[in-house]
Amino acid sequence: QLLLQESGSGLVKPSQTLSLTCAVSGVTISSVGYSWSWIRQPPGKGLEWIGYIYHSGNDYYNPSLESRVTISIDNSNNQFSLRLSSVTAADTAVYYCARVVVPGVTGGAAYFDNWGQGTLVTVSS
Amino acid sequence: DIQMTQSPSSLSASVGDRVTITCRASQSISSYLNWYQHKPGIAPKVLIYGASNFQSGVPSRFSGSGSGTDFTLTITSLQPEDFATYFCQQTYSTPLTFGQGTKVEIK
Repeated sequence: QLLLQESGSGLVKPSQTLSLTCAVSGVTISSVGYSWSWIRQPPGKGLEWIGYIYHSGNDYYNPSLESRVTISIDNSNNQFSLRLSSVTAADTAVYYCARVVVPGVTGGAAYFDNWGQGTLVTVSS
Repeated sequence: DIQMTQSPSSLSASVGDRVTITCRASQSISSYLNWYQHKPGIAPKVLIYGASNFQSGVPSRFSGSGSGTDFTLTITSLQPEDFATYFCQQTYSTPLTFGQGTKVEIK
């Protein structure tokens, strides 16, 4: 059974860097046909896609966050991570990690087939 | 960015009711539209991908339709475990974007 579990600091001071890790169990993170994504949901607001990364290290980010975001992958420890720099109160949110099914040569929609439960990160001094 | 607009934002329904939720894209996204169910404290769950494809294990009372800009999620007979928030997502182009969600509550 595939499980994703977010972990990291739940409280970050303004201007500092938010760091989260998503531990993946039940499947090898280097499996072909998938990418690994971060998504967040600020209180009372909708979901925002942050970015995703392939096992090769190729990464793609939301342009609204790209200047502050880095997603990395650790194939040997079967986990991937998120770093968001220069945080403000607007970055307070529940952060989710998820696996993305990537369409093959026959095409089709990519979709997020497994998600973590989410972890609340509060930005406050 | 492609904007995804869901309606209604919330609804009250009874067990056994037929429920329809719509999602409209600000431009054509072909069939690159997914539907998810989210309950508080639980990982979101994909119901439908590619507008109308059932995810394995999802009850057959859930169905999706549409293409282009207009999409629908239908629950044919609402069950107690279906009270949740539902949101759509487009994966036609990056940045991937989500609808704001529809909360289905008990009437």
